[in-house]
This record gives sequence, C-alpha cells and structure tokens, in this order.
Amino acid sequence: AQSVAQPEDQVNVAEGNPLTVKCTYSVSGNPYLFWYVQYPNRGLQFLLKYITGDNLVKGSYGFEAEFNKSQTSFHLKKPSALVSDSALYFCAVRDGDSGAGSYQLTFGKGTKLSVIP
Amino acid sequence: DAGVIQSPRHEVTEMGQEVTLRCKPISGHDYLFWYRQTMMRGLELLIYFNNNVPIDDSGMPEDRFSAKMPNASFSTLKIQPSEPRDSAVYFCASKSPGTYNEQFFGPGTRLTVL
Repeated sequence: AQSVAQPEDQVNVAEGNPLTVKCTYSVSGNPYLFWYVQYPNRGLQFLLKYITGDNLVKGSYGFEAEFNKSQTSFHLKKPSALVSDSALYFCAVRDGDSGAGSYQLTFGKGTKLSVIP
Repeated sequence: DAGVIQSPRHEVTEMGQEVTLRCKPISGHDYLFWYRQTMMRGLELLIYFNNNVPIDDSGMPEDRFSAKMPNASFSTLKIQPSEPRDSAVYFCASKSPGTYNEQFFGPGTRLTVL
C-alpha cells in the first residue's frame, strides 16, 4: 500500500519570504513523487516530479522540491513567495515497482498556501 | 493543445436521477483516470483505463457508478441513481505513453445532487 501525508492543512507566509510545504510518503517500492497545484475552481496542474537522480528537483513557476529517502520526505520549496502562489498544493506518490500498466497515484489531503502581501 | 476537456462544468440534479459526466483526453494519451474530490475525503481515484480498457475500478464506490471508454477520445462516468452524498467535483485526467509521465487534469465537473 502507498500513502502520502501532508501534515499542515494551511501554511501562511509573507510575500517575498521563502516557503515550504511538507510532504512525507510511504511506498513499498521505489517512490515516484509529484507535486500539483490547484487554483480555485480549476483542475490540478503539474508542478514537478522526482523519478530518479538528483535529489533537488526544479519545476514550474520557480518551485523546487527536495527528495530525502532516509526521511521519506519530498518537501516543496520556493525561495521567494508571490501572492499569486496562493493555492492548494497536493503531493502524490506512485510505486515505481508496481506491475506493468499500474499507474495509480495516491494524493495527500492538500495544503492551502496563503501568501500575505 | 486544448488539454483535457470535461462536460458539463456544473450539474445540478435531483436525487434518483441519472447523471452522465463526459471526458475527452488529450490526443495521443493512452491512460485515462476518473477522480472525485470532496472536502471530507480529498481526492480519490475511482477508475482508470489503459488503451480504452478498464485496469482498476476498485475505487468505484458502489454499483450505482459505472464508467466506459468506447474509444481513445471519449469516456463517460455515469451515476444511476444519484444520491446527495455523490455531490462532489469529478475530475478526469490523462497521461501520455511512458513510465515516468505525469497526469494532466481537466477542469472538473461540479455535481450537486439535491
């Protein structure tokens, strides 16, 4: 079984400050990890993913995420937050060792990010 | 690229009525996923298809729910009969061939069952 935990329902950060949205995961095989963002009344938009290689992954809109295997974490970060970054953020995991054709993603509950002007 | 297209965007119906949600995946994508999002349960995978064939429907909550994919460019999710607890936002997503590729989501259908 695979699972994702996003321990914070809401994160508040001042504009211009660095932001971190936390994610921990549990999976039996190799983790494939994803971050998505959801703006109000919109579908989820892909931000970035970790499959293998460098533990620091860079994605859209200046976001990056750090994979930490020992802590089973994949925290989302941005050096300087913008008001327009305010949205709902979802972490997701897939078991890379799952059977051929199995692409089930398990999503966290989401973290609401509010960037205060 | 038009992205994943869903219709209708909003649906209001009365308990007991049949509801059909529609999805057109991105051209060339071979996987299609149906999700349901609620405040209480978050984002849940209902069913997904590969090359129009259902692979895993273990997330479908009850026999009242059914999904079809008659061809590579169209899928439906049907609820019959609908109940108030089915009220949610339903998302369709598709994925291109390739082990590491991400899913692309449609805008969703907000369903309200009165």
